[in-house]
Amino acid sequence: EAGVAQSPRYKIIEKRQSVAFWCNPISGHATLYWYQQILGQGPKLLIQFQNNGVVDDSQLPKDRFSAERLKGVDSTLKIQPAKLEDSAVYLCASTSGDTQYFGPGTRLTVL
Amino acid sequence: SQQGEEDPQALSIQEGENATMNCSYKTSINNLQWYRQNSGRGLVHLILIRSNEREKHSGRLRVTLDTSKKSSSLLITASRAADTASYFCATVSIYSSNTGKLIFGQGTTLQVKP
Repeated sequence: EAGVAQSPRYKIIEKRQSVAFWCNPISGHATLYWYQQILGQGPKLLIQFQNNGVVDDSQLPKDRFSAERLKGVDSTLKIQPAKLEDSAVYLCASTSGDTQYFGPGTRLTVL
Repeated sequence: SQQGEEDPQALSIQEGENATMNCSYKTSINNLQWYRQNSGRGLVHLILIRSNEREKHSGRLRVTLDTSKKSSSLLITASRAADTASYFCATVSIYSSNTGKLIFGQGTTLQVKP
């Protein structure tokens, strides 16, 4: 079974620029998560989708971050405009039960 | 906010030795999970223990849970160089049991020297 796919793997941008990340979950997984992992810390949940509906976005900085999962399959996370403190690894995960399966992540560097 | 706190933050052992990592959390949980993260990679699920369980085994892994102390430990026996990674505990609180929202700790970095 194919795992969670993410792209790009690495992205370097200047502050105030925009960036988008893409995630394709494991086939059949209804629940999709986006996490932010700052260097030296554990992942922090940004947003959770159940099919194409948002379940939890309480920790998403909505003034600059947005996410969508239009057809209930793949998802995009966008940052506009980026700040220096957004430098982190952005992880996507999906699940059909208790276990979350993570993608390899996108490492974002904001200069 | 991060709920779990892990101890130690870093651990260095020789191959063949056992490694023990501890995790403490704050609120009542539905379950607690351990994940491994190799450098530059995504997280891999290792083991899940439910709030009504006290101990669980999976291969060389042994997890204990003490809900009265709000703590868990992960024991890796007969460690190998390939076990070098960061290990995270993550909890699902009883208030999030329907969503499965995970709250991760800061992690323990384990180095196993050959």
